[in-house]
Amino acid sequence: RKEVEQDPGPFNVPEGATVAFNCTYSNSASQSFFWYRQDCRKEPKLLMSVYSSGNEDGRFTAQLNRASQYISLLIRDSKLSDSATYLCVVNSGFTGGFKTIFGAGTRLFVKA
Amino acid sequence: NAGVTQTPKFQVLKTGQSMTLQCAQDMNHNSMYWYRQDPGMGLRLIYYSASEGTTDKGEVPNGYNVSRLNKREFSLRLESAAPSQTSVYFCASSQDLENGLRGNSPLHFGNGTRLTVT
Repeated sequence: RKEVEQDPGPFNVPEGATVAFNCTYSNSASQSFFWYRQDCRKEPKLLMSVYSSGNEDGRFTAQLNRASQYISLLIRDSKLSDSATYLCVVNSGFTGGFKTIFGAGTRLFVKA
Repeated sequence: NAGVTQTPKFQVLKTGQSMTLQCAQDMNHNSMYWYRQDPGMGLRLIYYSASEGTTDKGEVPNGYNVSRLNKREFSLRLESAAPSQTSVYFCASSQDLENGLRGNSPLHFGNGTRLTVT
């Protein structure tokens, strides 16, 4: 089982739709969580951190469920420019080191 | 403010050839990383450097060496390239020791190097 699992998609949605991605992680000692966005043939860029209480940034909402060990990303009112791959990232910190695990990503296509 | 700069953008090597990928950051970050990204897989950590003068192996270090030349620069060397090393390589940096735990701050990536080994 992969340490961080995401549905690879692709998700094909029309403009204006709401779309949700889920991500599960296996290490219950994981400390911090992020969503990154990666455009085709580009580097990943931080979209948002994910906090225990949930957090929102404009049309994007991230949620964390530690008990079930999953993270979600909700995109409301999808735009054509939201088309990208969304990467779930989990950090596990421990004495003397850390481990950052990337999910393989979920592809989103937003159509006009 | 350039962020993370890595060179070259593209490279084709023959099996057995060597090369060095260069990376530099201007954000005064302590930690730097090298990842590779292959289709259908998440980014995998090759090596990282938590601070100037230190380097540690990541998940897939075999076939690679690194040098943390100074705080700004972190290079990745392939001594004898193999077709299995065909991949996209990303350098990244982060501000560390947030909340006393290394690795809890986000990563800033370079533009990537597309390497093909024939």
